[in-house]
Amino acid sequence: TQLLEQSPQFLSIQEGENLTVYCNSSSVFSSLQWYRQEPGEGPVLLVTVVTGGEVKKLKRLTFQFGDARKDSSLHITAAQPGDTGLYLCAGEGNAGNMLTFGGGTRLMVKP
Amino acid sequence: DSGVTQTPKHLITATGQRVTLRCSPRSGDLSVYWYQQSLDQGLQFLIQYYNGEERAKGNILERFSAQQFPDLHSELNLSSLELGDSALYFCASSVGWGGADTQYFGPGTRLTVL
Repeated sequence: TQLLEQSPQFLSIQEGENLTVYCNSSSVFSSLQWYRQEPGEGPVLLVTVVTGGEVKKLKRLTFQFGDARKDSSLHITAAQPGDTGLYLCAGEGNAGNMLTFGGGTRLMVKP
Repeated sequence: DSGVTQTPKHLITATGQRVTLRCSPRSGDLSVYWYQQSLDQGLQFLIQYYNGEERAKGNILERFSAQQFPDLHSELNLSSLELGDSALYFCASSVGWGGADTQYFGPGTRLTVL
């Protein structure tokens, strides 16, 4: 069974601070995805990383896939209250499109 | 709005009962996925259908079953409900069945078993 561990589980910061969320596994994934989920809604895909060592930037968000494709990180620069939400990483295994989700990081950015 | 619709939005029922959750995928998507999200287990993959056929199975209990109909909508049937089945159930859809396809999630059905 492939497992993904996310840390931290909870993060409460002030507007303007930087933060990093980690997603770790002992398993290799063919790709890794990051989602953001707001209360009462389903997860929304932010990015997919496929190649080991890949770095993708989405405005103030930087995503990195580990060289061995077992871990990933999400870095947010100058966090804003609008970044508040549940961030989920999900790894795609080698069998079709089945996703394994991490436990999530609940981020609160206070103004 | 992801284009994936789920009904009902909320469902309250009693232990031992049976319920059916419905999902309509985005127009043009052939794959439908079902996930369960609970506080202690997080978001877990249950089952995937592609063009009417079961494609992949995850941690789905034997009391649960699903199907995808010719018009591509899908239903998740939960029977002999237990308190622990209380959770958010999400449906997602994608164009194909492979790893390159983005999954789009619906708004979910919140099931409460009393």
